[in-house]
Amino acid sequence: EVQLVESGGGLVQPGRSLKLSCVASGFTFSNYGMNWIRQAPGKGLEWVAYISSGSSYIYYAETVKGRFTISRDNAKNTLYLQMTSLRSEDTALYYCARLLSTGRDYWGQGVMVTVSS
Amino acid sequence: DIQMTQSPSSMSVSLGDRVTITCRASQDIGNYLSWYQQKPEKSPKLMIYGATNLEDGVPSRFSGSRSGSDYSLTINSLESEDTGIYFCLQHKQYPRTFGGGTKLELK
Repeated sequence: EVQLVESGGGLVQPGRSLKLSCVASGFTFSNYGMNWIRQAPGKGLEWVAYISSGSSYIYYAETVKGRFTISRDNAKNTLYLQMTSLRSEDTALYYCARLLSTGRDYWGQGVMVTVSS
Repeated sequence: DIQMTQSPSSMSVSLGDRVTITCRASQDIGNYLSWYQQKPEKSPKLMIYGATNLEDGVPSRFSGSRSGSDYSLTINSLESEDTGIYFCLQHKQYPRTFGGGTKLELK
């Protein structure tokens, strides 16, 4: 059974940093690109970042570029999102997800990040 | 960036209705379009990929179609379990972009 389990969320003050993790199981993690997607309370979905299977290709949404860093450790089957200079507008539920244009998507249950003083 | 304009933003529907939700792409995305259903407090669930392909396990009353830059999700004979929010997502290029969502509620 495929599982994506996020962790590392919480309440953080504006301007501070936080690092999210997503542990994958049930598929060969190292073969797939991975994404972070977020959803602000009561809002729609916003794609945040992508990293290819071997970390060669990385893309970010303009809203987080320069502040967030996506990375992965294939030996640990783990995806990361380092978030710095956090703003109130970064408050959201963050999902890690394997998104394929050919189906067989997998999403985690999400981890909440709240940026507030 | 590719903009995905989704309509309507909400619909009040009855059981047995035929429902159509549409996303319009601002640039050519070919068939690189997926549809998701999201229930309250749940992660999105893939319903349609490649614009027209039904994901495994999704009921056959769901279908996807394309007409030019307009992509549609149709639910034939709506059932109560089909309520929720539906999103489209383009897979053509980065940044990936979602439609704004359509909230489907029962009358």
